[in-house]
Amino acid sequence: QVQLVQSGAEVKKPGASVKVSCKASGYTFTSYDINWVRQASGQGLEWMGRMNPNTGETAYAQKFRGRFSMTRDTSITTAYMELSSLSSEDTGVYYCAKDGPRHVELGNWGQGTLVTVSS
Amino acid sequence: DIVMTQSPDSLAVSLGERATITCKSSQSVLYNSNNKNYLAWYQHKPGQPPRLLTYWASTRESGVPDRFSGSGSGTDFTLTISSLQAEDVAVYYCQQYYESPRTFGQGTKVEIK
Repeated sequence: QVQLVQSGAEVKKPGASVKVSCKASGYTFTSYDINWVRQASGQGLEWMGRMNPNTGETAYAQKFRGRFSMTRDTSITTAYMELSSLSSEDTGVYYCAKDGPRHVELGNWGQGTLVTVSS
Repeated sequence: DIVMTQSPDSLAVSLGERATITCKSSQSVLYNSNNKNYLAWYQHKPGQPPRLLTYWASTRESGVPDRFSGSGSGTDFTLTISSLQAEDVAVYYCQQYYESPRTFGQGTKVEIK
């Protein structure tokens, strides 16, 4: 079955960067885009961007452009997101989510990674 | 960006009663070429990842109970829970995938009255 397993919780200082991994299994990794969605503390869901694991092509929400990047390693079927210049407003849970069969809906989600930004 | 606005922000419904959530997009998410509405609904419970409920506005995802139904077209959409169960307590989000960024509504919290 499809599984997306994310890396563990992180605690970072303001101004630092964080890198979260998303290990995919149970399907052909290069066939479906990976999205990143966050839930900042006390807030709703926020779409951050998506990546085509086959081509590496990315699309970012304007809000995060410049300090957010998505990469992948197809040899180990793992996607990564990195967010830099962290502030307390970045504290929250970050999810990877795979496109569903129609390549539009978010059909499968990772368990989430809590990122805490604190001095 | 397409702005998705849900109402209400929260609602309390008695067990077995109907719960209705609306979602309005700032522009149409209906693609005329295929007559599909590019809208999905998700359920999010604390401590769990979100769960896809419906896509194309009204197509129920496999395994989702039939008490959940989506409807609407263009800019106005509804998620209905026909008979609220205790396990339906969650925050519900609409999301458009008509264009990037794929924006979510602010969420509607559903509780038991």
